[in-house]
Amino acid sequence: QSALTQPASVSGSLGQSITISCTGTSSDIGGYSYVSWYQQHPGKAPKLVIYDVNYRPSGVSDRFSGSKSGNTASLTISGLQAEDEADYYCSSYTSSSTLEVFGAGTRVTVL
Amino acid sequence: QITLKESGPTLVKPTQTLTLTCTFSGFSLTTRGVGVGWIRQPPGKALEWLALIYWGDDERFSPSLKSRLTITKDTSKNQVVLTMTNMDPVDTATYYCAHRRGWYYYMDVWGKGTTVTVSS
Repeated sequence: QSALTQPASVSGSLGQSITISCTGTSSDIGGYSYVSWYQQHPGKAPKLVIYDVNYRPSGVSDRFSGSKSGNTASLTISGLQAEDEADYYCSSYTSSSTLEVFGAGTRVTVL
Repeated sequence: QITLKESGPTLVKPTQTLTLTCTFSGFSLTTRGVGVGWIRQPPGKALEWLALIYWGDDERFSPSLKSRLTITKDTSKNQVVLTMTNMDPVDTATYYCAHRRGWYYYMDVWGKGTTVTVSS
């Protein structure tokens, strides 16, 4: 069982915005600003899209944004495009382990 | 440009020891703050941390797998090696190695992964 809770699936129409939540505790998301998000297309390696809650790596579309409130982090994809259809995993630093924890992943479907 | 590539057996038998090699380029594991980690993903399941080694030989392990894991680095060959003992069919997964930049808590570049099946 993953330490971070994500919805199993989220869907949206082309051009719409969607938000994926990632809920943890005060020992991870709530206590630190070290939340990252990874995008994974089928059969491919994960790709970092957000780090430190709301920073985008170079080359990642500005349609991806991150935020955090309390023990819940969120990834918002605006102007949804077909290529955004993928699995998304959140990750957070945790004081309970020497390694970060991942969420169970959210499947994003573009309608 | 940073690249990483995993290599190792595609099939191992139960109880055997798995040895995986991550060969990288574009950075050095002698640079302060840099790390290389291993993460796996069973078919249809979530990502799971295995181990991480830093430039200064600091090692981190998944608490649930620590007793079965060893991670080493060879800076002259630009390689990181992960060994996992007593393999079981539940260890069937795609194994990824990835780069960590500085004192951060994310992996910014990943290898393509290598699939390992545990079966007799």
